[in-house]
Amino acid sequence: RKEVEQDPGPFNVPEGATVAFNCTYSNSASQSFFWYRQDCRKEPKLLMSVYSSGNEDGRFTAQLNRASQYISLLIRDSKLSDSATYLCVVNRLDTGRRALTFGSGTRLQVQP
Amino acid sequence: DGGITQSPKYLFRKEGQNVTLSCEQNLNHDAMYWYRQDPGQGLRLIYYSQIVNDFQKGDIAEGYSVSREKKESFPLTVTSAQKNPTAFYLCASRDRPGANVLTFGAGSRLTVL
Repeated sequence: RKEVEQDPGPFNVPEGATVAFNCTYSNSASQSFFWYRQDCRKEPKLLMSVYSSGNEDGRFTAQLNRASQYISLLIRDSKLSDSATYLCVVNRLDTGRRALTFGSGTRLQVQP
Repeated sequence: DGGITQSPKYLFRKEGQNVTLSCEQNLNHDAMYWYRQDPGQGLRLIYYSQIVNDFQKGDIAEGYSVSREKKESFPLTVTSAQKNPTAFYLCASRDRPGANVLTFGAGSRLTVL
């Protein structure tokens, strides 16, 4: 089982739609959680951190459910420019490695 | 502006040749990482370094080598022993090993002919 799992999509949605992605992680020692955005053939960039109480940044809302070990990303009022792959990322501090673990990503295509 | 510079951006190599990908950062970050990304897949960790003159294997280190002689530099050598080297290679850094945010370079796309 992968440490971080995501639905690969693609999610094809019309402009203005609300879309939600989920991500599950297998290791309960995971401490920090993030969503990164990756445009086609580009490097990933941090979209937002995910806090236990849930957090919002404009049209984006992230939530964490530690009991069920999943995180979610909600995008409201989708724009064409939101088309990208969204990577779920987990940081574990229980190992000496201390490297972030990335999911395979969920591809979003917003259509006019 | 501070950032991470990777070169070359595109590289073509014949089978059996070693190739070195450059990664330089001027962010004064201690920790540096190399990831590999294949089409439709997430990033997999190749090697990482938490401090100068120290580095550790990641999940897929076979066929790769690195060095960390300077804080700013973390080059990756893809050797002929790497069976499927064609991929997108991403270098990243963060200011300390436990920090949450990774800064990435623009990546190097290696194609083996």
